[in-house]
Amino acid sequence: AQTVTQSQPEMSVQEAETVTLSCTYDTSESNYYLFWYKQPPSRQMILVIRQEAYKQQNATENRFSVNFQKAAKSFSLKISDSQLGDTAMYFCAFMKHAYSGAGSYQLTFGKGTKLSVIP
Amino acid sequence: DSGVTQTPKHLITATGQRVTLRCSPRSGDLSVYWYQQSLDQGLQFLIHYYNGEERAKGNILERFSAQQFPDLHSELNLSSLELGDSALYFCASSPRRAHYNSPLHFGNGTRLTVT
Repeated sequence: AQTVTQSQPEMSVQEAETVTLSCTYDTSESNYYLFWYKQPPSRQMILVIRQEAYKQQNATENRFSVNFQKAAKSFSLKISDSQLGDTAMYFCAFMKHAYSGAGSYQLTFGKGTKLSVIP
Repeated sequence: DSGVTQTPKHLITATGQRVTLRCSPRSGDLSVYWYQQSLDQGLQFLIHYYNGEERAKGNILERFSAQQFPDLHSELNLSSLELGDSALYFCASSPRRAHYNSPLHFGNGTRLTVT
């Protein structure tokens, strides 16, 4: 079974600064997908960024980027130029590759990191 | 707006009761997933339906069941409710089976409170 660990229950960052959220995972799979989801107070789960394990290049989406270290099983999220609208719970999630049999297509989530952006 | 509609938004009921949560996936999406978000357990996968058929079960209690209907909407039935069932229940959909290029789109959830 896969596990996802987010070791920072809460974090805060000044507006316009940069913050990094940590995520580690444990799996015996060689190919898989990793995601970061954002859950603002409106409680909707919003996909922020995604990464395929076999791609070495780190994914970026505007102000959001990841540092994917496959050997270390680490998948951190960096938010640059933090904005007040970034205040939310952030969840790291793991999905087995589509053809990995049982458990494919399911997301395994970490416990989340509550990020507060301070004006 | 993700296009996934969940009703009701809030539900308050008593222990021992039965409730039904409804989910309408995005237009054209064949897969529906149910997740439970609670304070102690976090977000947990419950069940997956694809085009009307159950495809995978996660940490779903025997008191819980689900269906996906021919029009692709889905219902999650929770019976003999206990205080510990209080949680936010999410529905998510994807065009086929979720993967990297077909990520999940989540609804806004149904907040269930059991008193």
